[in-house]
Amino acid sequence: TQLLEQSPQFLSIQEGENLTVYCNSSSVFSSLQWYRQEPGEGPVLLVTVVTGGEVKKLKRLTFQFGDARKDSSLHITAAQPGDTGLYLCAGNTNAGKSTFGDGTTLTVKP
Amino acid sequence: KAGVTQTPRYLIKTRGQQVTLSCSPISGHRSVSWYQQTPGQGLQFLFEYFSETQRNKGNFPGRFSGRQFSNSRSEMNVSTLELGDSALYLCASSLAFGVTGELFFGEGSRLTVL
Repeated sequence: TQLLEQSPQFLSIQEGENLTVYCNSSSVFSSLQWYRQEPGEGPVLLVTVVTGGEVKKLKRLTFQFGDARKDSSLHITAAQPGDTGLYLCAGNTNAGKSTFGDGTTLTVKP
Repeated sequence: KAGVTQTPRYLIKTRGQQVTLSCSPISGHRSVSWYQQTPGQGLQFLFEYFSETQRNKGNFPGRFSGRQFSNSRSEMNVSTLELGDSALYLCASSLAFGVTGELFFGEGSRLTVL
């Protein structure tokens, strides 16, 4: 069974601060996604990383896939209240099965 | 491009009843996955369908079942409902089975079992 551990579980910060969320596993993944989920809605895909060491940027969000494709991080610069939500990572194997982490609940206070 | 549509959005059932949830994937998407989301367990994989065939199955009892139709629409059924089945049930569609892992979720069906 592949497990994805996300940390921290909860994060509460002030607007303008920077933060990093981590997603770790002992398994190797063929690809990894990050999603954001807001209350009452389904998760929304933010990014897919495929290559070990890959870095992708989406405005103030920077995503990195570990060299060994076992872990990933999400860094948010100058967080805004609109960034509030549940951040989920999901690892995928060549068998086509996605495994989700338990998520990081981020609250950005104005 | 219309997104993933799930119906109903909210429903309340009592123990012992059964429920059917529906999911219409994004047009052109042939793979549909179902997940159960609860505060304590996070997102748990139920099953995935591609071309009307179940390709993957999670670790849920046989009370949970699903199917996919020729137009890629999918339904899941939960029989003999238990209190612990209260959850947000999410449907996700993707272009093809196991290609990139990218999932596009619906807003979910919130099931409350009393």
